[in-house]
Amino acid sequence: AQSVTQLDSHVSVSEGTPVLLRCNYSSSYSPSLFWYVQHPNKGLQLLLKYTSAATLVKGINGFEAEFKKSETSFHLTKPSAHMSDAAEYFCVVSESGGSYIPTFGRGTSLIVHP
Amino acid sequence: DVKVTQSSRYLVKRTGEKVFLECVQDMDHENMFWYRQDPGLGLRLIYFSYDVKMKEKGDIPEGYSVSREKKERFSLILESASTNQTSMYLCASSPTGRGVMEETQYFGPGTRLLVL
Repeated sequence: AQSVTQLDSHVSVSEGTPVLLRCNYSSSYSPSLFWYVQHPNKGLQLLLKYTSAATLVKGINGFEAEFKKSETSFHLTKPSAHMSDAAEYFCVVSESGGSYIPTFGRGTSLIVHP
Repeated sequence: DVKVTQSSRYLVKRTGEKVFLECVQDMDHENMFWYRQDPGLGLRLIYFSYDVKMKEKGDIPEGYSVSREKKERFSLILESASTNQTSMYLCASSPTGRGVMEETQYFGPGTRLLVL
């Protein structure tokens, strides 16, 4: 069975400071992991995904995430927050050999202060 | 670019009404999904379809049904709307049929449904 936990429901940062959104997963098989972003009143858009290639994954808009199997984590980071990064972020897991249907975390709301 | 469109951005319905939510994708994707999104709960899967006329229940199918008569169109039906079905409904599609787990999902803009 697969599951995903986003450790913070809200994260607040100042513009220009680093962003860290935390995600832990549980999977019985080799997982694929995703981060999606949802801006207000919009659908979800893929930020990045890990599919068993490089453990450090670079995405759009300067975001990246590192797959750490020993820690079962896939945290999302960005060196310097921009006002336009304010949005809801979802961590997602799906697994080979399992149901393959993605499981979504509950989301982290990123607030960026000027 | 992949485009997923949903028939309405906002809907207001009365308790007991039958409600149809339509989703259309233009990239010949095999898989289509319906989710509902509620604050603090993330996205919960209602139904998905990996082929025309095929459907499978997700995590919360009670009170909902679906129809996929054509590959590009996936409809969500609330047989008798209730106030606890007030929510944001998101449709998504992904390219390949069953068994492929590393694919990106493409989402529509969502339909915000209010049931009075």
